[in-house]
Amino acid sequence: EADIYQTPRYLVIGTGKKITLECSQTMGHDKMYWYQQDPGMELHLIHYSYGVNSTEKGDLSSESTVSRIRTEHFPLTLESARPSHTSQYLCASSLGGHQPQHFGDGTRLSIL
Amino acid sequence: AQKITQTQPGMFVQEKEAVTLDCTYDTSDPSYGLFWYKQPSSGEMIFLIYQGSYDQQNATEGRYSLNFQKARKSANLVISASQLGDSAMYFCAMREGRDTDKLIFGTGTRLQVFP
Repeated sequence: EADIYQTPRYLVIGTGKKITLECSQTMGHDKMYWYQQDPGMELHLIHYSYGVNSTEKGDLSSESTVSRIRTEHFPLTLESARPSHTSQYLCASSLGGHQPQHFGDGTRLSIL
Repeated sequence: AQKITQTQPGMFVQEKEAVTLDCTYDTSDPSYGLFWYKQPSSGEMIFLIYQGSYDQQNATEGRYSLNFQKARKSANLVISASQLGDSAMYFCAMREGRDTDKLIFGTGTRLQVFP
């Protein structure tokens, strides 16, 4: 079993709030990813990191930001949440190459 | 152009039967990898099987096998002896090139297994 954890599992919050979605892994993977997924749709990469102090934007533009201060921790922040940010956010990590990405359980975010 | 195409939005299969979920891909890079993931209604993504572009044999993992036809650029997932717990969304994904670990996902196929 992959050891990657996301909190919270569900979050319902009002517009304008600052939100941080947590993601931690205990596998020592250098590579970590954030995906955004609307219900019943494909996953879109919004951020990735190949190691500490390394972060890059993904293929889908996002108003969120990420940080990678420690190998095991890759939080995602929304400074001012809006209803358009309502979605599921999935965090993943991997060794890279032919190794699969292991996913957390996701955070279902709903902005009122 | 779509990099990963899954043309079946939904599929039905009877318990204990086999089912094939289609996936075609588009890349000009000779080095790539193809992954299949299962996503139950609870939302997590579960890795099922991997096929590398240079692999000579089709990948198999338990009841899952991958029908890899390189010339046709297809990587169909075959699930044998379907179980009720196989009901879920199934996503095909591609890692394109040797120097990236980013995955491109298809739109998914919703599989429903009935008794």
